[in-house]
Amino acid sequence: EMVLTQSPATLSVSPGERVTLSCRASQSVSTNLAWYQHKPGQAPRLLIYGESTRATGIPARFSGSGSGTEFTLTISSLQSEDCAIYYCHQYNNWPSLTFGPGTKVELK
Amino acid sequence: QVQLVQSGAEMKKPGASVKVSCKASGYTFIGDGISWVRQAPGQGLEWMGWISPYNGNTNYVQKFQGRVTMTTDTSTNTAYMELRGLRSDDTAVYYCARGARPIDFWGQGTLVTVSS
Repeated sequence: EMVLTQSPATLSVSPGERVTLSCRASQSVSTNLAWYQHKPGQAPRLLIYGESTRATGIPARFSGSGSGTEFTLTISSLQSEDCAIYYCHQYNNWPSLTFGPGTKVELK
Repeated sequence: QVQLVQSGAEMKKPGASVKVSCKASGYTFIGDGISWVRQAPGQGLEWMGWISPYNGNTNYVQKFQGRVTMTTDTSTNTAYMELRGLRSDDTAVYYCARGARPIDFWGQGTLVTVSS
């Protein structure tokens, strides 16, 4: 079974800081990986797909990189509204799609 | 704009069934599949499966096989997810979402609480 591991579990940062989130797959997912932002009480929002393509309306401060088994989501300058849980999601291993456990980003 | 509007919260007893609806608008319903994803309290996201409104084809995660049925009604652009034999660990927010590779838009979620 494909397993996604995210690190760190929680990240405490100050506004304006650069944030780097990691997602590792137990086997290659090629570039079939997406990132979602999830705030309490809201629907998850697609940020990045195809490893590095920003979804419609996503600010340029969000970027994705990586391929194979190692992926990174970067927020270039954290805004207060970016506090949320971030999930990576592989859609390579059809029909066994999986999500990572999430990284919580909070203000320091 | 794309919208997926789900039915309201449900409270069920163990062993019962629940059927959650998801009404789509703002796009061609038969042009994209619908995924169902759940999130138990304090847990992460769990993909349950997918249905194609175009031809009714489904893919279910093995752990839900035999307990879940996903259907669509193309006359009303509505998708449904029925889960039977509910247990306390089925307590979760259930989301419908457009697509699967990747999922791009999500419904607002439906809380299903299973308690005696």
